[in-house]
Amino acid sequence: DAKTTQPNSMESNEEEPVHLPCNHSTISGTDYIHWYRQLPSQGPEYVIHGLTSNVNNRMASLAIAEDRKSSTLILHRATLRDAAVYYCILAYGQNFVFGPGTRLSVLP
Amino acid sequence: SQTIHQWPATLVQPVGSPLSLECTVEGTSNPNLYWYRQAAGRGLQLLFYSVGIGQISSEVPQNLSASRPQDRQFILSSKKLLLSDSGFYLCAWREGRGNQPQHFGDGTRLSIL
Repeated sequence: DAKTTQPNSMESNEEEPVHLPCNHSTISGTDYIHWYRQLPSQGPEYVIHGLTSNVNNRMASLAIAEDRKSSTLILHRATLRDAAVYYCILAYGQNFVFGPGTRLSVLP
Repeated sequence: SQTIHQWPATLVQPVGSPLSLECTVEGTSNPNLYWYRQAAGRGLQLLFYSVGIGQISSEVPQNLSASRPQDRQFILSSKKLLLSDSGFYLCAWREGRGNQPQHFGDGTRLSIL
């Protein structure tokens, strides 16, 4: 299974940008990079996904390295509601492998 | 818009009892459906997925089974629960075509006594 590596935890101040890194050195050419986040006792929420080009949506931006071996999820202005566990996943076909993710704390 | 429903939200069952968790999706046709389990503080483990009615793929051999009796209904079952079956069970769906994201239900917290 394609694997990703993320820091266990990160902290951010409210209203500041947050850059959540993810390494995926074994990525194959057809693997999509997906990001989800999960609040306690809730199901994961889709954030963003991409293949090669950087992607933007109303929630976040996804910056993908040119060699695709790493990516960064960017929250432009963190709010207290962004505190969650963030998962970076490589997906091909039915294969979505969730690791332990990064626990993001947002300080007021 | 599409919605996914999972029930019950919480369940406490004795060891050896049967289990049935239900998941339904609205607003889409022929979705891919998934069952995951999450242990406390851990990532999600894919248990089963289905690409169509009656088609079930198992990712992990275990005490559980899944069925898809209708296009938008996915059921997780067990004949005899074990202590190790405790966890947070999540159902998810995605469009059947293309590399679309998965969308998750609110989960069922299962405690085995």
